[in-house]
Formats: sequence, structure tokens, C-alpha cells
Amino acid sequence: EADIYQTPRYLVIGTGKKITLECSQTMGHDKMYWYQQDPGMELHLIHYSYGVNSTEKGDLSSESTVSRIRTEHFPLTLESARPSHTSQYLCASSEGQPFVETQYFGPGTRLLVL
Amino acid sequence: DQQVKQNSPSLSVQEGRISILNCDYTNSMFDYFLWYKKYPAEGPTFLISISSIKDKNEDGRFTVFLNKSAKHLSLHIVPSQPGDSAVYFCAASEQGNKLTFGGGTRVLVKP
Repeated sequence: EADIYQTPRYLVIGTGKKITLECSQTMGHDKMYWYQQDPGMELHLIHYSYGVNSTEKGDLSSESTVSRIRTEHFPLTLESARPSHTSQYLCASSEGQPFVETQYFGPGTRLLVL
Repeated sequence: DQQVKQNSPSLSVQEGRISILNCDYTNSMFDYFLWYKKYPAEGPTFLISISSIKDKNEDGRFTVFLNKSAKHLSLHIVPSQPGDSAVYFCAASEQGNKLTFGGGTRVLVKP
């Protein structure tokens, strides 16, 4: 059983607001990821981290930013939300063993920007 | 350019029969493949994986087949159960690096 948590689960917010999506894992995993998924579409990697103070942009360009100050915590921030940011955001983590990339996902945050 | 493709967006199967989900990839450097299952409003959960040194991996009702020459993998679920109704994603990685996901196949198992 994977222990990875995301809050909030659902968020409806107005345009221009600053939001932070929280992600925490209690497994001590070095690698953490943020994905964005629209309904019926594939998961797109938007950010990842291979450890504390390490963050990289993913394959999909995103206006969000992330930080990794603690191993267990990988928050994602949108400085000014827009309707185009409406999507599901999924956080994941993995042990980072070479050749064994099994990622464990949180329940996701569904974001609606009005 | 999608490196991992699931060409069937949906699949409907009768309870008790076999579900076969397909996935094609283009990057010959991928060496580890996974299948995830996703229910609505939940995150994907890991189902089964296979290393490129194998061509088959079985876990209960789930079997994954890998054909490296064709750059193709498939997931077999037998017998299919109503609780298997979900979206299934295949994913691939290269030397333990980040995963690349396919677009998903929605499976509906009819009682």
C-alpha cells in the first residue's frame, strides 16, 4: 500500500488567484513527480524531482512551479490561476531504483478555474 | 510525438471473457514497461510490469506480453470481472528514468 497524499482533492477557484497543491509521501522516496491529465487523455509530466533541492521541468510546459525542501513534500504552485489550468493534477513518487521505475500515485487534485 | 500509444481508446467485454489491451512504443531504448489502472477521481494504481529481458510476466488474472521486435506490449485480463472496469494506461521507462505514458484504454466489463 502506497502512502502518498494530495490536498485538496477538489478545488474551484477564480481567475488570478494563487494556489498551492500539496503532495506528501511517507515512504522516503527520493523521486517525486507531478502530472497533469485532462479527461480521456494521457498523463503529461510537468515537474519532477530526484531529491531535496532538485527540481526539473517535465515534458509538458507548465506555468506552475514546484519546490522540494523536504524529501516527503513536493508542493506545486500556480501564481495566477487561469481557466486553461483546469485539469486533474496527479502527484507520484518512486524509490528511484535503476531499471525499476514503479511510481505510486496520490489520489489527485481536480482543479476548476472559473 | 507520442512515444507510447494505445490505439484503442475503449474496449467492451463480457464478464468472464478475456480482455486484451494493446500498447505500441517507438523508443527502442525503453527497458521497463508497466500497466496502471485508474478509476475515476482516483490516482493510477500500479498493476503489473515487465522488464525488457522478459517476454511474459504473469500475476494472477493479469499477464503482460512484450514483443520487443514489434515494439508492442499487451495486457491480458482473464477472466474479466466487473471491478476491472477502469482506464488502463501503459507506461515505459528508459534505465529507470521518468515514465512515458500512453493515452489510456477505457475498459467496460459487462455483467
